[in-house]
Amino acid sequence: RKEVEQDPGPFNVPEGATVAFNCTYSNSASQSFFWYRQDCRKEPKLLMSVYSSGNEDGRFTAQLNRASQYISLLIRDSKLSDSATYLCGAASGGGADGLTFGKGTHLIIQP
Amino acid sequence: DTGVSQDPRHKITKRGQNVTFRCDPISEHNRLYWYRQTLGQGPEFLTYFQNEAQLEKSRLLSDRFSAERPKGSFSTLEIQRTEQGDSAMYLCASSPQRSEAAFFGQGTRLTVV
Repeated sequence: RKEVEQDPGPFNVPEGATVAFNCTYSNSASQSFFWYRQDCRKEPKLLMSVYSSGNEDGRFTAQLNRASQYISLLIRDSKLSDSATYLCGAASGGGADGLTFGKGTHLIIQP
Repeated sequence: DTGVSQDPRHKITKRGQNVTFRCDPISEHNRLYWYRQTLGQGPEFLTYFQNEAQLEKSRLLSDRFSAERPKGSFSTLEIQRTEQGDSAMYLCASSPQRSEAAFFGQGTRLTVV
């Protein structure tokens, strides 16, 4: 079983809709979690950090559920420009092991 | 541009040749990471530096892979005797002290022919 798992999709969503996807992690020592956005053949860009209390940034909301070992990303009022792959990353603390990433979830916003 | 910079952006090499990639992190970041990403996969962690010290290298893919960060600023990743399976995107990332939030460079896309 991979340490971080994501549904690869694709999720096809009409513009303006709300979409949510989850990421599960198996390493209970994971302390910090992040969502990254990656466009085709580009580098991952940090979208949000996810902490215990969850956080919101504009149309994006991230939540952490430690008991069930998953994090979620909610995108409201989706835009065509939200089309991308969303990567979930988990760190076990200290930074020495880097981030463990899932394969990413491919999101396509349709006009 | 004050982001993470990688050079070259693309490299095509013949099997068996050695290649070296460079990464310049964000200037105030003392943590530096190398990752590899293949098609359809997330980035895979390779190695970690804190300043000039390489604190984690057990995840380098084989003894053909090595990395340095001699003065705690830029870093290089070398692959010796390249194989076709080494074809991938090699990503460098940096973080400030006490943060695991990594900021990635644009990557070096390696093609081994």
